[in-house]
Amino acid sequence: NAGVMQNPRHLVRRRGQEARLRCSPMKGHSHVYWYRQLPEEGLKFMVYLQKENIIDESGMPKERFSAEFPKEGPSILRIQQVVRGDSAAYFCASSLQGENGNTIYFGEGSWLTVV
Amino acid sequence: SQELEQSPQSLIVQEGKNLTINCTSSKTLYGLYWYKQKYGEGLIFLMMLQKGGEEKSHEKITAKLDEKKQQSSLHITASQPSHAGIYLCGADDPGGGADGLTFGKGTHLIIQP
Repeated sequence: NAGVMQNPRHLVRRRGQEARLRCSPMKGHSHVYWYRQLPEEGLKFMVYLQKENIIDESGMPKERFSAEFPKEGPSILRIQQVVRGDSAAYFCASSLQGENGNTIYFGEGSWLTVV
Repeated sequence: SQELEQSPQSLIVQEGKNLTINCTSSKTLYGLYWYKQKYGEGLIFLMMLQKGGEEKSHEKITAKLDEKKQQSSLHITASQPSHAGIYLCGADDPGGGADGLTFGKGTHLIIQP
């Protein structure tokens, strides 16, 4: 049973370009979370999605960031017009049901570098 | 909102020694997760605790949640180089407004041979 799969593992973008990060949850998991880990900072929640629905995006920056989890295919975190401050590790996690009492598994992360 | 404080921030331990990492919450913990992260890699799930006084073990790692459910400790017995990494505690905050886990800043563990 494959774990949470993220790609790309490493991504370099120039300022102003777009970054797309993909996440395939563990088999059977319909709850997906995105987190961001900035250098020297902790892991911060960004968004929580279920299939075709954004449940909670309270941690998402108001502009340039969007997330989706379509009926078919992986969840996508999209960052438009990237800036240097977007450089970070972006982690996807999934769970069988909502987090309360359910184990949440993380992917290996996608490291975004904006040059 | 809930805040988690981990201590110590970093720890250097000689191989074979025991160590303890603490995670203290500003609010009652409803679900406390421990993860390990190797530098430049993802998070590996270690354990989840929910009940006051609960204790779980996996190999040489034991985690406890205190009776008041505001503090958790992670104890490693006879540490090995493979234990090196960043240990993160994360918590559910059902009343906090956000659906994600809140994490501490992590404890960096170095094992000296």
